[in-house]
Formats: sequence, C-alpha cells, structure tokens
Amino acid sequence: GENVEQHPSTLSVQEGDSAVIKCTYSDSASNYFPWYKQELGKGPQLIIDIRSNVGEKKDQRIAVTLNKTAKHFSLHITETQPEDSAVYFCAASYNNNDMRFGAGTRLTVKP
Amino acid sequence: EAQVTQNPRYLITVTGKKLTVTCSQNMNHEYMSWYRQDPGLGLRQIYYSMNVEVTDKGDVPEGYKVSRKEKRNFPLILESPSPNQTSLYFCASSLAGGSIVDHQPQHFGDGTRLSIL
Repeated sequence: GENVEQHPSTLSVQEGDSAVIKCTYSDSASNYFPWYKQELGKGPQLIIDIRSNVGEKKDQRIAVTLNKTAKHFSLHITETQPEDSAVYFCAASYNNNDMRFGAGTRLTVKP
Repeated sequence: EAQVTQNPRYLITVTGKKLTVTCSQNMNHEYMSWYRQDPGLGLRQIYYSMNVEVTDKGDVPEGYKVSRKEKRNFPLILESPSPNQTSLYFCASSLAGGSIVDHQPQHFGDGTRLSIL
C-alpha cells in the first residue's frame, strides 16, 4: 500500500519568509495529492490539491509542485504570516478509499 | 452552513465501557470516513463508507465498528474500549470518490478527543 513521508516535522520561519514542506510517496499509481491545514482544536481543512496530470498549481501565496518521476510533491508558502502557523498534512491517494497522510509539519511563523 | 459535526468533542471513560461517537454531515455526501490522529503518525483511516449500507475497513479497524443506516450519519462504535484507543478522532465526508479521475476533497469535523483509562 501507499506510504507517505513528510519533512520536516517542525518548521520555524520569520514572518515574510517562505516555507517549504516536502512529501514523498511510494505508490506510483497515486494520482491525487491534497494538502490540509489543521489549526488548534479544529479538523484538517483542504488548502490546495494537485492531480497527477499537472506539475504545479498556485493559489495566491500557496503553491504545490509535483514530480511524478521522483514521487515527491511540495507545498510552498510565500510571504508567510502569523496566521499561517498550524500543522500541515500532505496526502496521496489513488482513490478516496486509500488516502494516506504524512505525519504532519508544525509550522510556526514568528512575527 | 456546510459542515461535519462530531459528538462528543471530549470524552474520558474507562476500559470496557461501550461508547459511540456520532458523526453527521449536511452536504448530502456519499462517502464518509473515520480517522484517528496520533502524534508522529498523522491520520490513519479506521473505516469508510461509500454509501448507505456499504462500509469497509481502513488501515486500523481493530476494536471499532461502524454503521451507515442513513446517508448523513456515520457513527463510530467502540464496543469494549481499551487504553490504546486513546486518541483524537476525525470524521470526514466527501462527494463520491473511488474514481481515478474524480477525486473529491474530504471535509473534516473538528475532532473528538477520547481518553480511555
């Protein structure tokens, strides 16, 4: 089955800097890669997703890149703000039944 | 407001005392799922349901039961809870998944923190 590894487990950046979180997956059949943001006391919320037929997707300050050959994908947050502080999860799946999540990255943005 | 609602949000109980965590969604989603979240392990799927009366095991189903009698509800049942089931639980729902070309994002509830003593 699919195995997703996520790095780093914690990340601290200065407000205004960029943050990058990386994930690798094992199953070459995976074709859907969502990213979730989890704030304290809340459930994960989808912030961006990418399908295997594209290599990059951007939504304002966040972007995701996918390298199918190397089986890794990354989340990029530019111009970070304190409200970006949260735990971020990557996931990979072939269909909704087998979605596998990374272990999470705790991002802290210092004002 | 579109949402997934879990109850209770917090529960402390004792080993062996049956409990049920309810999950309800108001988005008419076919697919529903339960996950547990443990430090360093991310989210692991317990059970999922593709539609009414259709349920299947995820990665960590031991010690859990589910039912899907109605489209909106997907309760998680711990018949005889044990301390290793102490965790943070999330219910999620989405429009029909299972298609290689039609992934739908999952919407999560706010979680239920269970402590089994």
